[in-house]
Amino acid sequence: EDKVVQSPLSLVVHEGDTVTLNCSYEVTNFRSLLWYKQEKKAPTFLFMLTSSGIEKKSGRLSSILDKKELFSILNITATQTGDSAIYLCAVGGANSKLTFGKGITLSVRP
Amino acid sequence: NAGVTQTPKFQVLKTGQSMTLQCAQDMNHNSMYWYRQDPGMGLRLIYYSASEGTTDKGEVPNGYNVSRLNKREFSLRLESAAPSQTSVYFCASSPTDRGYGYTFGSGTRLTVV
Repeated sequence: EDKVVQSPLSLVVHEGDTVTLNCSYEVTNFRSLLWYKQEKKAPTFLFMLTSSGIEKKSGRLSSILDKKELFSILNITATQTGDSAIYLCAVGGANSKLTFGKGITLSVRP
Repeated sequence: NAGVTQTPKFQVLKTGQSMTLQCAQDMNHNSMYWYRQDPGMGLRLIYYSASEGTTDKGEVPNGYNVSRLNKREFSLRLESAAPSQTSVYFCASSPTDRGYGYTFGSGTRLTVV
């Protein structure tokens, strides 16, 4: 059975801090790893990673995948209160479904 | 606007009542999914439909049934609601079975009393 483990489950930082969110996985026939941000409503897409070692970057957010060690990290630099959210990691495997981790609750204090 | 539409947005049921959650997408996606989200549990897959005419169980299918009515619509039915089914339900769709390109609906908050 596919498995995704995220850590830490929650953290509190101050504005301007840099945070690293972790995601490890076990999946049959890995196809992709995705990061989502969830605020009040539905998850919104951040990144999709399919190849090891290639960093994806969007503003202050970046992510990288290590397919040998089976993990990914999501970095957020110069955090802002608007970054407060649940960050979800999901992996796509042999069939059509995504398996999600439990999510990381990030709180950014002013 | 193109996307995934879920109805209703909120619902309160009494234990034992039945209801159907509706989901429709207008992006011509092949695959559709139903997830539930509980605090601290992430998103857990209930059922999915890789393509029109097929449905499969996910991680937590007990107490639910689904119907892929056509390519656009995928409904989730609770035959006899239980308090343990109190949750937020998300429908999603994706263009292929490749595990990416998900678009989520805005969710249905269901409370069973």
